[in-house]
Amino acid sequence: NAGVIQTPRHKVTGKGQEATLWCEPISGHSAVFWYRQTIVQGLEFLTYFRNQAPIDDSGMPKERFSAQMPNQSHSTLKIQSTQPQDSAVYLCASSLGLGGRGDTQYFGPGTRLLVL
Amino acid sequence: GDSVTQTEGQVALSEEDFLTIHCNYSASGYPALFWYVQYPGEGPQFLFRASRDKEKGSSRGFEATYDKGTTSFHLRKASVQESDSAVYYCALGSGSFNKLTFGAGTRLAVCP
Repeated sequence: NAGVIQTPRHKVTGKGQEATLWCEPISGHSAVFWYRQTIVQGLEFLTYFRNQAPIDDSGMPKERFSAQMPNQSHSTLKIQSTQPQDSAVYLCASSLGLGGRGDTQYFGPGTRLLVL
Repeated sequence: GDSVTQTEGQVALSEEDFLTIHCNYSASGYPALFWYVQYPGEGPQFLFRASRDKEKGSSRGFEATYDKGTTSFHLRKASVQESDSAVYYCALGSGSFNKLTFGAGTRLAVCP
């Protein structure tokens, strides 16, 4: 049973370039979450989808960041005009999405983004 | 807003020592509480959760009890092993689908 798959595992971009990160949730999971992890800020929520619909993007930076879920088997996080401060590990998680306090998120290995 | 406080940034123990990592939370609602463990180069792994007051969660010898009165969910293990060395995160889940708010993490190092 494959877990959450994230690609690429590592990405290096130059300042000002675009970065697209991919996530494949666990089969059968209807909720997909994105988090960012840095040494300084720790683990921060970015956004999440349920049944492909965006539910809460309150953690997303207002500019340059966008997320989509075009079908139930993958989600993307796109960062336009990347800046050095965007360097972080971006984590995707999925859950059954049944609602209530029983829902548990399972994380992928993350994509380590380095902006030079 | 919601927040989670882990008192210990780092803990160093010897094998078979008793472990306690303190976790306190602040939330407007009645959250679910979680412990995750993260190994180098990997994403956080779900350890266990508790969803209501006085419920005990446990896994792999680790346990914690939800205490609504003291807003705590302290992680304990009676006898740690070198393989338990990792970073441990306490988290609370809020909203309809348990959006997670994490503590800062506690790095546990266990020496043989």
